[in-house]
Amino acid sequence: DTAVSQTPKYLVTQMGNDKSIKCEQNLGHDTMYWYKQDSKKFLKIMFSYNNKELIINETVPNRFSPKSPDKAHLNLHINSLELGDSAVYFCASSHGEETQYFGPGTRLLVL
Amino acid sequence: DAKTTQPTSMDCAEGRAANLPCNHSTISGNEYVYWYRQIHSQGPQYIIHGLKNNETNEMASLIITEDRKSSTLILPHATLRDTAVYYCIAKHMNRDDKIIFGKGTRLHILP
Repeated sequence: DTAVSQTPKYLVTQMGNDKSIKCEQNLGHDTMYWYKQDSKKFLKIMFSYNNKELIINETVPNRFSPKSPDKAHLNLHINSLELGDSAVYFCASSHGEETQYFGPGTRLLVL
Repeated sequence: DAKTTQPTSMDCAEGRAANLPCNHSTISGNEYVYWYRQIHSQGPQYIIHGLKNNETNEMASLIITEDRKSSTLILPHATLRDTAVYYCIAKHMNRDDKIIFGKGTRLHILP
């Protein structure tokens, strides 16, 4: 009965590849987010979606494209992966602007 | 930049109360104080939040000073599982205001 789930948990890939990370929430929330936590452990928001509408779009390379097929899912597609994309990516969800609940993270390593 | 400042690290003996301070001297009148924690290799976990009044839930208590310039998170009986990085966050309740995670306080619970 996991509330916010992400797949895969680990992702190791070569530079230049395209990869996707999936996120699903079963909390009935209408807002979902993607965060990036780099090697220095700083956690920063990348995107937020409310009812499939993009609300927050931080200064993120356009190689990163979030896609929300429905309110329960927010996937992150990354084109032309670079070494600097190596990080832990967290998905989160909330009911509107209320408390956010986070997933377990996807550890991405670009070689 | 984070709107809050916290000590870099703290130690607390197991079974004792852990009191984690947070300064938010520039907080605006409609910004809430949120606390999250991140246990090693996990996603951030919501703990508690408040606006003006002190709050208590099954995890912790939040004491906010009358001038709202600072607050204290209290874990009443710390256990080894409470070892984590604790983040104090000031946030408006609107969908355009994002959570800004600072460096947090690394809390070590000592056996």
